[in-house]
Amino acid sequence: EVQLVESGGGLVKPGGSLRLSCAGSGFTFANAWMNWIRQAPGKGLEWVGRIKSKSDSGTTDYAAPVKGRFTISRGDSKNTVFLHMNSLKIEDTAVYYCATDLGVGATSYFDFWGQGTLVTVSS
Amino acid sequence: DIQMTQSPSSLSASVGDRVNITCQASQDISNCINWYQQQPGKAPNLLIYRASNLQTGVPSRFSGSGSGTHFTFTISSLQPEDIGKYYCQQYENVPYTFGQGTKLEIK
Repeated sequence: EVQLVESGGGLVKPGGSLRLSCAGSGFTFANAWMNWIRQAPGKGLEWVGRIKSKSDSGTTDYAAPVKGRFTISRGDSKNTVFLHMNSLKIEDTAVYYCATDLGVGATSYFDFWGQGTLVTVSS
Repeated sequence: DIQMTQSPSSLSASVGDRVNITCQASQDISNCINWYQQQPGKAPNLLIYRASNLQTGVPSRFSGSGSGTHFTFTISSLQPEDIGKYYCQQYENVPYTFGQGTKLEIK
């Protein structure tokens, strides 16, 4: 059974930093492209960014609102993906989900999701 | 960025009704669209991928169609457990983008 468990959320002041973790099990983690998606309170879903598998270059892509402030990395030996968040803004307040992309070929989709971790940016 | 315009933003229907949700892309995305359901208090769940393919384990009353810029998601016979919010999402280009969601309620 595929499981994704996020951790690391909490309350942080504007301008602060936080690191989220997402531990995966039940699938070949090293082969998965991993995504972070967030949802502000009462709002819709917003893709934050992704990291490809190392065999597919391991490169990252980010949404414009977080580019230059957020960094995604992965530790395949521990089946974990990280979201490093710096220079946090009030508008970054959201539930952050990690999600796998186990799509084949040119097909990409978020097939498994974690339960989410809440990040609150407030003074 | 590709904009995904989803409609309606909310709808109320009776058990057994046929329900349609549409998504319009701001440019041609071929069939690179997925549909998700988010039940209250839960993470989203993939229902349809690549426009019309049913994800494993998803009931066959859910379906998707369309290509290019216009897409439709259908529930053939609405069930009480189908309440929640539904989102389309394109993966033709990064950044991936979602529609604003459709809130589905039972009359």
